[in-house]
Amino acid sequence: EPEVTQTPSHQVTQMGQEVILRCVPISNHLYFYWYRQILGQKVEFLVSFYNNEISEKSEIFDDQFSVERPDGSNFTLKIRSTKLEDSAMYFCASSEGEGVRETQYFGPGTRLLVL
Amino acid sequence: DAKTTQPNSMESNEEEPVHLPCNHSTISGTDYIHWYRQLPSQGPEYVIHGLTSNVNNRMASLAIAEDRKSSTLILHRATLRDAAVYYCILRVRGSARQLTFGSGTQLTVLP
Repeated sequence: EPEVTQTPSHQVTQMGQEVILRCVPISNHLYFYWYRQILGQKVEFLVSFYNNEISEKSEIFDDQFSVERPDGSNFTLKIRSTKLEDSAMYFCASSEGEGVRETQYFGPGTRLLVL
Repeated sequence: DAKTTQPNSMESNEEEPVHLPCNHSTISGTDYIHWYRQLPSQGPEYVIHGLTSNVNNRMASLAIAEDRKSSTLILHRATLRDAAVYYCILRVRGSARQLTFGSGTQLTVLP
């Protein structure tokens, strides 16, 4: 069964460093998402991406964050200058389309720790 | 998206049915009721969704009240692997928008 994959599974970085989290969505999906979950808290939406542009973003997704689909398979989340409070589990998701195809499929996550 | 209310936690015995309730009194006519779950240390996973009629799939059943102000996710025979946080989420029909997760219900399955 097709699945969303994410790399790396764990990332440790120093505050102020840039990190890039990578995702490979399901191949025929058109909508892509990033969510994050701080330890012990709710899953929070960051951004959605469709047709090579951001379609929605939350207040969390400020200028320090960016997303890109550099080729036909990868979807990346970049954090330019990490802060301690960026430590969280980051989940990528994808969906085929709208209506009956709007189910979102999530990857296993990348655990980011900012020191 | 309209708000949902779920109990913080529930317990069930293994191999018994589990009924997970969700209240959504402000649901609109265009809102679908979606259920996702999150197993420990994993990403959320789609379970089931419906609009007005009860729905069944290989994972679960969804019973929707006639007035649509509440719904119940039914796991027919709980297994230890079903221990997870279950989220009830309303989404506008035809929308590929974000999922808004609440706190969900932590289901504990006892052997």
